Amino acid sequence: GAVVSQHPSRVICKSGTSVKIECRSLDFQATTMFWYRQFPKQSLMLMATSNEGSKATYEQGVEKDKFLINHASLTLSTLTVTSAHPEDSSFYICSARDRVAGGSYNEQFFGPGTRLTVL
Amino acid sequence: GNSVTQMEGPVTLSEEAFLTINCTYTATGYPSLFWYVQYPGEGLQLLLKATKADDKGSNKGFEATYRKETTSFHLEKGSVQVSDSAVYFCALSFTNTGNQFYFGTGTSLTVIP
Repeated sequence: GAVVSQHPSRVICKSGTSVKIECRSLDFQATTMFWYRQFPKQSLMLMATSNEGSKATYEQGVEKDKFLINHASLTLSTLTVTSAHPEDSSFYICSARDRVAGGSYNEQFFGPGTRLTVL
Repeated sequence: GNSVTQMEGPVTLSEEAFLTINCTYTATGYPSLFWYVQYPGEGLQLLLKATKADDKGSNKGFEATYRKETTSFHLEKGSVQVSDSAVYFCALSFTNTGNQFYFGTGTSLTVIP
């Protein structure tokens, strides 16, 4: 099946620094990638939808200037958490939709997630 | 709005026991329904899906039926194995809205020998 990777898998940073998380589709091209955030014992919450070559669409309540998303190629999207604070500590998961596969349900392929801890 | 409510875990079962993980949903429209599984240290993997009412999704001995009348999509397996230990997520999505997924909170399953 299609594989999505994320890097790093785990990051610890100091408050006020910026952290970049990469999401790559390894064996397919993804025109659309999604970024989710998961708090302990809570649902995955969609943060933004990232389309290759255009600006990301952010969900209500998500600060676009804090969570910068870039989708510069069909296989790579990045999420940068700027001036991170402890409340940004969370599990961030990306997913990608295969530009070729279609169908009635349009499966998404998920990365393994990145655990961010801000001290 | 759209949301998914999942049975809270953790769930611990003995090997070969029967598994049910309840999932109900609220949706403005007619969604597709999914079960994803997340094994330790790995990403979410699609386990099964159903795209319309009365459809039954099945895979690896797991099955779930799309029940529109009860807005449910309960996951079942007749005989669990230790290798089924994972976190299970119920989700819904609409094909005409960019494939945004709405997830339940996840249910952790541990199967003991």
